[in-house]
Amino acid sequence: QVTLKESGPVLVKPTETLTLTCTVSGFSLSNARMGVSWIRQPPGKALEWLAHIFSNDEKSYSTSLKSRLTISKDTSKSQVVLTMTNMDPVDTATYYCARIDMVQGVIIYDYWGQGTLVTVSS
Amino acid sequence: SYELTQPLSVSVALGQTARITCGGNNIGSKNVHWYQQKPGQAPVLVIYRDSNRPSGIPERFSGSNSGNTATLTISRAQAGDEADYYCQVWDSSTADVVFGGGTKLTVL
Repeated sequence: QVTLKESGPVLVKPTETLTLTCTVSGFSLSNARMGVSWIRQPPGKALEWLAHIFSNDEKSYSTSLKSRLTISKDTSKSQVVLTMTNMDPVDTATYYCARIDMVQGVIIYDYWGQGTLVTVSS
Repeated sequence: SYELTQPLSVSVALGQTARITCGGNNIGSKNVHWYQQKPGQAPVLVIYRDSNRPSGIPERFSGSNSGNTATLTISRAQAGDEADYYCQVWDSSTADVVFGGGTKLTVL
């Protein structure tokens, strides 16, 4: 059974750095076809892709947020970590991690975590 | 950057067919995926690579993609189909994953 679970602070102050952890089970982060993305959704708004990482440690970041994001993984712990610097109230959102299944070279999100709401406020 | 355009809302009568569009420049050359999101829940994949259904998704859900428009079709719409629907592609030119703005489906 594949599961993903996000964890991290529910409240951060403006200018602080956010660190979120996605703990996965039911698959290995070393599986060649698999990867993990971080995706966020501000209240009442659309989904926004942030970053992803693959088993070979290949990483990719949203062009618009690249300077603020870092993604990494610890395969032995089955964890993917996202850091976002210089948080602002507009970054208030539910943050999801999702499994990537590369089907014929195409990125598809077949399993999602439940999401974690992060509020940015002083 | 690549953009995907969806209507904000679509309404359909119970038992009828709903069509949700996703517009993008030459989107027919890309692989389009669709996700269903009910209030308070994480998105669920309902169509991948334009027209393929994951296991467990009813046959009532289908998809197509050509030219500048991809379409998610929901036949015999049910009250349980009420949700937000998002299309998604991978923009190879920027390596960005792109989501549409989402469409709220209402079943009347």
